[in-house]
Amino acid sequence: DSGVTQTPKHLITATGQRVTLRCSPRSGDLSVYWYQQSLDQGLQFLIHYYNGEERAKGNILERFSAQQFPDLHSELNLSSLELGDSALYFCASSAGTGSQETQYFGPGTRLLVL
Amino acid sequence: GNSVTQMEGPVTLSEEAFLTINCTYTATGYPSLFWYVQYPGEGLQLLLKATKADDKGSNKGFEATYRKETTSFHLEKGSVQVSDSAVYFCALTHSGGYNKLIFGAGTRLAVHP
Repeated sequence: DSGVTQTPKHLITATGQRVTLRCSPRSGDLSVYWYQQSLDQGLQFLIHYYNGEERAKGNILERFSAQQFPDLHSELNLSSLELGDSALYFCASSAGTGSQETQYFGPGTRLLVL
Repeated sequence: GNSVTQMEGPVTLSEEAFLTINCTYTATGYPSLFWYVQYPGEGLQLLLKATKADDKGSNKGFEATYRKETTSFHLEKGSVQVSDSAVYFCALTHSGGYNKLIFGAGTRLAVHP
């Protein structure tokens, strides 16, 4: 158990809908990262928050947004969903922002868009 | 740009066989290198890491050495078990990359009794 929790575990929805994925980092970690794992793209970095502020954006679509709240949990919002958004979404956390730090991953949310 | 290349799988081995999964990288500066493992239906777990050249990371019988001269970080284990069956990901971060992990495509390992 990494100490990172994600809810829900599974999500099934329809095209055009909006969903929210939630992540709670390990106790004491200030950084939260979101990654997408799909069969065609592999594991791709989406976005990084540190202590409530956005630090870096990766291959995140404009239809996707995220935030980190004062209690450090984070939410990833996916809107106008398309079939191609079906994937595993992982959250990871680390203590700070150093490139040598280990990122600890949650169990993921599996999203299926029908 | 920065990237990681892993050997394609699947890799199929008998129990107690020697394992090597090749990983090479392209990066500016001095990246940190990681191996993560993903067991079926689970998230990614850190297996080992190395943060500077010639460092050796090791855990649970697995090891990998950060070789700057060959830009490689090959994963090895002397004797694999059925329970090692999983997907293994090589990854890097670097100080100019905002700490995002850049992953290889993953290598599936299947170990048979």
